[in-house]
Amino acid sequence: GAGVSQSPSNKVTEKGKDVELRCDPISGHTALYWYRQSLGQGLEFLIYFQGNSAPDKSGLPSDRFSAERTGGSVSTLTIQRTQQEDSAVYLCASSRDREQYFGPGTRLLVL
Amino acid sequence: GENVEQHPSTLSVQEGDSAVIKCTYSDSASNYFPWYKQELGKRPQLIIDIRSNVGEKKDQRIAVTLNKTAKHFSLHITETQPEDSAVYFCAASRAGGGADGLTFGKGTHLIIQP
Repeated sequence: GAGVSQSPSNKVTEKGKDVELRCDPISGHTALYWYRQSLGQGLEFLIYFQGNSAPDKSGLPSDRFSAERTGGSVSTLTIQRTQQEDSAVYLCASSRDREQYFGPGTRLLVL
Repeated sequence: GENVEQHPSTLSVQEGDSAVIKCTYSDSASNYFPWYKQELGKRPQLIIDIRSNVGEKKDQRIAVTLNKTAKHFSLHITETQPEDSAVYFCAASRAGGGADGLTFGKGTHLIIQP
């Protein structure tokens, strides 16, 4: 079946602009996660959605970062007033139990 | 919060030999420990995972061991092949315990020498 999809695959933006990244989880997966991977680094947890419960935002690095999940499916990660240090690959994952399956990521470059 | 340490950062082994990657975690409430393989430019792929109620799990050439008392877990790859070359990440979480986001180690770059 279809895996996790993300769009866009690449995004180049100017410092100070806002960006929106989209994630389509695997159908039937109730949990959705966002991670960030900087060049040559591990993955950093950002936010977690489970069903209709309030999201776990404990990993968001600043108040410029926010995320929504509409209808328990598609999620959008928004970064406001982007900074150069926001440049990274943003990965989305979904799960039905504990196993998390990752999307291909969005590579964000802030100039 | 949880902290996961992973060693070594780079591991080079001869094709056919075994490779072992070790991780430690800090949160004794963590109960789920997956391993991911990431090839260059690709997404992380789950290769094996273990839950805190077992000490060892094996899937063909890959095995994972967990020592809850010492709070460490290891990935073992036997009879390594060129396609095993990749970056491997360990992770930990309190899945179902209100902290389901994975905390990852910094990764091990595994190089299989022909």
